Amino acid sequence: GEQVEQLPSSLIVQEGASVLINCSYTDSASVYFPWYKQEPGKRLQFIIDIRSNMERKQTQRLTLLFDKKTKHLSLHITATQPGDSAIYFCSASSGTGGYKVVFGSGTRLLVSP
Amino acid sequence: AQTIHQWPVAEIKAVGSPLSLGCTIKGKSSPNLYWYWQATGGTLQQLFYSITVGQVESVVQLNLSASRPKDDQFILSTEKLLLSHSGFYLCAWSPPGQGDTQYFGPGTRLLVL
Repeated sequence: GEQVEQLPSSLIVQEGASVLINCSYTDSASVYFPWYKQEPGKRLQFIIDIRSNMERKQTQRLTLLFDKKTKHLSLHITATQPGDSAIYFCSASSGTGGYKVVFGSGTRLLVSP
Repeated sequence: AQTIHQWPVAEIKAVGSPLSLGCTIKGKSSPNLYWYWQATGGTLQQLFYSITVGQVESVVQLNLSASRPKDDQFILSTEKLLLSHSGFYLCAWSPPGQGDTQYFGPGTRLLVL
């Protein structure tokens, strides 16, 4: 079945820095890749997604790049703020209908003021 | 607006005892529903999904079962808890149709002693 590897497992940066989170997957049939953010004490929250017919998606300070050939995704967060501190998860939807979801192991981001 | 509730908020249970966790979605007809398990500080493991009332698909075998008795309700249960069942249980929904962005509930924290 699908496997998703996510790196790094943790990041500590100063406010204002940019960060890069990488994910790779194994199942070439996966077509949808949403990312989520989990802040302490808060619900898992959708932040950005991309489909396999796209190469890039950008919303505000987030840029998500997708390489279908290498089965690789990378999330770039610019101008980080302390409020960005959270665990970030990539995921891949696979199987008929895309209902099966495999999550990466998460990246714990800490942004210090 | 759609709302998703989970109950109970937290449980402490004895090994071998039964368990029932619930999830209710309001404001959306025929949602796709999902159960996830998250070990402390760990990644999310999808357990079950359901695209219609009375139909539940198992993703992994963890001595748990799920049911969808109503369109807006998803139940996770077991007759005999194991220590390994401890963790955080998350319910999520996505719009009817293909698997898509998921919206997560607040979760239920379970400690099995």
